[in-house]
Amino acid sequence: SAVISQKPSRDICQRGTSLTIQCQVDSQVTMMFWYRQQPGQSLTLIATANQGSEATYESGFVIDKFPISRPNLTFSTLTVSNMSPEDSSIYLCSTAEGWEQYFGPGTRLTVT
Amino acid sequence: DQQVKQNSPSLSVQEGRISILNCDYTNSMFDYFLWYKKYPAEGPTFLISISSIKDKNEDGRFTVFLNKSAKHLSLHIVPSQPGDSAVYFCAAVGGATNKLIFGTGTLLAVQP
Repeated sequence: SAVISQKPSRDICQRGTSLTIQCQVDSQVTMMFWYRQQPGQSLTLIATANQGSEATYESGFVIDKFPISRPNLTFSTLTVSNMSPEDSSIYLCSTAEGWEQYFGPGTRLTVT
Repeated sequence: DQQVKQNSPSLSVQEGRISILNCDYTNSMFDYFLWYKKYPAEGPTFLISISSIKDKNEDGRFTVFLNKSAKHLSLHIVPSQPGDSAVYFCAAVGGATNKLIFGTGTLLAVQP
């Protein structure tokens, strides 16, 4: 399975600011996924990012709030824009092999 | 609407005994089920899966059972080890969207 790294591993941010999370995969992959895990909740898919096309967002998530870049087959970024305390979550990127998904270590975001 | 449910938020088991983690789902279109394990400060790691055409899949100490009529699956860990202490998520996929739907997780604590 692919090895996935994320930066930063954690951050504490002020309300109203933005944070960009980076995801690096050690092999070329077609699709990358971004998830959010709010405290005590399950993992929720934010969007699917394909290289060379616009990301596909799930219901309840919009591009203005969570812009995603996918410049090549090994890298993606997720920006959490105009943050509020409700955005405090763990953000995870993942790739898939068949039905099985493999996750990065996550970025723990706290918004104060 | 929570399509995948893990009704036990936590479970405590003695080392060497069996751990049984349960998961219920509501969508009859799901046709593939997965279990993930998550340690603190790490991303979820894939553990074991089962297709809807089977009712059991075994991998070492881990066995997943699927009861389609009851829309229920369970993960058995035998024998349980302290290193198994983690949060376990079940996930399901199938139907029109082909995206993973996760449960809320069960925290397993294996006592030495």
